[in-house]
Order: sequence, then structure tokens, then C-alpha cells
Amino acid sequence: DGGITQSPKYLFRKEGQNVTLSCEQNLNHDAMYWYRQDPGQGLRLIYYSQIVNDFQKGDIAEGYSVSREKKESFPLTVTSAQKNPTAFYLCASSGLAGGPYTGELFFGEGSRLTVL
Amino acid sequence: GENVEQHPSTLSVQEGDSAVIKCTYSDSASNYFPWYKQELGKGPQLIIDIRSNVGEKKDQRIAVTLNKTAKHFSLHITETQPEDSAVYFCAARSFQKLVFGTGTRLLVSP
Repeated sequence: DGGITQSPKYLFRKEGQNVTLSCEQNLNHDAMYWYRQDPGQGLRLIYYSQIVNDFQKGDIAEGYSVSREKKESFPLTVTSAQKNPTAFYLCASSGLAGGPYTGELFFGEGSRLTVL
Repeated sequence: GENVEQHPSTLSVQEGDSAVIKCTYSDSASNYFPWYKQELGKGPQLIIDIRSNVGEKKDQRIAVTLNKTAKHFSLHITETQPEDSAVYFCAARSFQKLVFGTGTRLLVSP
């Protein structure tokens, strides 16, 4: 089945540790995105990528890093510099690369990160 | 930049009733307004969208209306069913940037 796979679904981390969330898509989409979801705050954009080897900061990029070495993959690293990393993280892709926010977004099922 | 406000944050209805969720946006340049449904433990999924040159769009039991003058748009669900229970997000696109509302938790009781 075509779709977006995020892993792990649940992750616990100690303060001061970096953690990487995986996002893989087999939809042949050019654009990929990472959103953070907090209760009562909707979805906020962390980073996005329109093509391989290129990515841009979203609204809340501080404390996060990404890479886009392959079209299918867009991993997100939550670094120790992120002051409040406990959240639900959603990866998405879009088939239109004309702009970072164009076209229907297809979401994965999310990764819940808890910092202990 | 664009700011999207969504109300109510929680909505409880009886099965068969109608549900209405409202959003307002600030940027008059916004031209695309999608609605996403997020079921428990899953990612959001697009259910309907509307563009700024259209005032209303329907798809079976759901409809979206847009008032560009007042800068607000609404989601209408008729004949609600328990499987409509979920969190619904509105969004507005301005200059290729998609901004989401804060979500509405809809509870449909049998």
C-alpha cells in the first residue's frame, strides 16, 4: 500500500539526548514536511523539503535538524537544544513541488516523543 | 502573517444532529481552505477543501462555506454518525504557506 511510514510510534528520551524520528514515503512525492502537534495549538511546521538535498526552516525550526538524502526519506532529529521536545510529531508529503505548502498533504500516523 | 482561529474547541452532538465548525482567517490574500480530520492515533486526512473563487462546496454529508468578505469559512456535517467523532482542523493558505487552526474535537453520541 502507498503511504507514509513513521517510526517509532512512541519514544522516550532523557534530557540532553538527541533522538531521530524516521519518515519514509512510497508515494513518489517531491515535497515532505515535519509538523509538531501540541494540545490546543494545532499543527506547526518545523521543516520542509521540496527536492532531494534541499530543505527549509518552518515556523519552529530551532532545536531541530533534518536531512533529505533520498526522495523517499526525511528524518527529523530532535536535538538537546530543543527546550520543550515532548510532543506529537507528524510527517507529511505532497505531490506538488511548486511551493512548500501546495497540494493535499498526506500524513503519517505520527511519533509521540516524551522527554523524561 | 496569516492567523487562523477555530471554534469551538469541543463540540458534542447526538447522532443524527448537524455539526458546524467555524474558522476565521486574517490574510485577505489566502486562497485555499482545506479541512482535515484526525482520528485517534492517526494522522490528519483531507476531507474537503474550497478555493477562494467558490462560495460553497458539498460532498455527501459534509459541506464547506466561505465568506471572503468576512474572512471566515465553516465546515458543516449533517446527519452525524459516531464515526464522525474525531478532531477536525481547518487551514488557510496564503502565499503558499498553510496555517492550521487549533482543532475541534467532535464527539457524536449514539
